[in-house]
Amino acid sequence: ETGVTQSPTHLIKTRGQQVTLRCSSQSGHNTVSWYQQALGQGPQFIFQYYREEENGRGNFPPRFSGLQFPNYSSELNVNALELDDSALYLCASSPDRGHNNEQFFGPGTRLTVL
Amino acid sequence: AQRVTQPEKLLSVFKGAPVELKCNYSYSGSPELFWYVQYSRQRLQLLLRHISRESIKGFTADLNKGETSFHLKKPFAQEEDSAMYYCALSGLGTTNKLIFGTGTLLAVQP
Repeated sequence: ETGVTQSPTHLIKTRGQQVTLRCSSQSGHNTVSWYQQALGQGPQFIFQYYREEENGRGNFPPRFSGLQFPNYSSELNVNALELDDSALYLCASSPDRGHNNEQFFGPGTRLTVL
Repeated sequence: AQRVTQPEKLLSVFKGAPVELKCNYSYSGSPELFWYVQYSRQRLQLLLRHISRESIKGFTADLNKGETSFHLKKPFAQEEDSAMYYCALSGLGTTNKLIFGTGTLLAVQP
């Protein structure tokens, strides 16, 4: 069974650019959540996708957007990058969306905005 | 407001000493509480959750609703317990989104 994978591992962008991060969910999982982890902080919930529909959103501006595809993989898009967007972005998948479903985390994508 | 507080950024103990990692929460309702762990160069993984009431790797955590706490304990620390520990909560319902604390780095000295 393959775990959650994320790509790329690292990337560097400049302020104002746009970025797309990718996540492949674990086999059999239909729910993907995205988190932002700034240095020295715990992960912060960005949004969740369940069966290709958004299923909850945290306190992030609209320039953070996402997609989930029919195979349940997902993308996180960030437009008009700001310096404060520099962080580790974590993707987590779960078998379903209910509270009793464990989330399985990927290794993360380290984004640096210069 | 929904919040998880871990007051200690770093906890350093000697091997064989007891460990208690503190976690307090604020939530309007009945949350589910978790401890996640991240070992060096590994991904974040679930250590234990309060509803299962299990002991994992010798760690236990009891939900105290009166004190709104979910402290993680182990009677005798091992060097391999050194890691970053995050307390998290999830509300009941149709989403399992997690609210994390800022984490505590546990360093077990030989």
